[in-house]
Amino acid sequence: GQNIDQPTEMTATEGAIVQINCTYQTSGFNGLFWYQQHAGEAPTFLSYNVLDGLEEKGRFSSFLSRSKGYSYLLLKELQMKDSASYLCAVRDGDYQLIWGAGTKLIIKP
Amino acid sequence: DVKVTQSSRYLVKRTGEKVFLECVQDMDHENMFWYRQDPGLGLRLIYFSYDVKMKEKGDIPEGYSVSREKKERFSLILESASTNQTSMYLCASRGGGQESYEQYFGPGTRLTVT
Repeated sequence: GQNIDQPTEMTATEGAIVQINCTYQTSGFNGLFWYQQHAGEAPTFLSYNVLDGLEEKGRFSSFLSRSKGYSYLLLKELQMKDSASYLCAVRDGDYQLIWGAGTKLIIKP
Repeated sequence: DVKVTQSSRYLVKRTGEKVFLECVQDMDHENMFWYRQDPGLGLRLIYFSYDVKMKEKGDIPEGYSVSREKKERFSLILESASTNQTSMYLCASRGGGQESYEQYFGPGTRLTVT
């Protein structure tokens, strides 16, 4: 079956670093997305990994290991505005994405 | 910037009513999607369209239909609304090139069926 697992909720402190993990089991794999979604708002694109390795984009980095079916999103120098849900999604075929349930990240001062 | 708009942010309908949710994108994207989002579940694909007048069922099409008469507009129709269709509905669009798999989302419509 198709399955994407992420922790339901995480808490971190302002200024710290947090790693949000995503493991997947899908029939196909053509890439993995991370999206950010603030409460009551639309998801917005953060990163897209196709090849193994780490991709850095400012305070956010995303890592992929295709052999392990594993990705993580690393957020550095956490700010209060980073409080949001983080959604992991796998591109299975040409059109469809398979979505995880999302990880709610709570930032404390 | 890509803009995806949805006709309503909040909607309250009665059981049995016919409901129309409209989505418009301004980036000439070929592909458009309708999802629903419920607490504790990932986004679930209802229908998508890869061209005008073309549509494909997603994972949960039952109780829904769609219409795409113009490239920029993708409508979701609930033929006879039921309480289990109370949810957040998100529309998304995506370009057709192989380098552009990112989906751009609208602000969502929170539908309550009473």
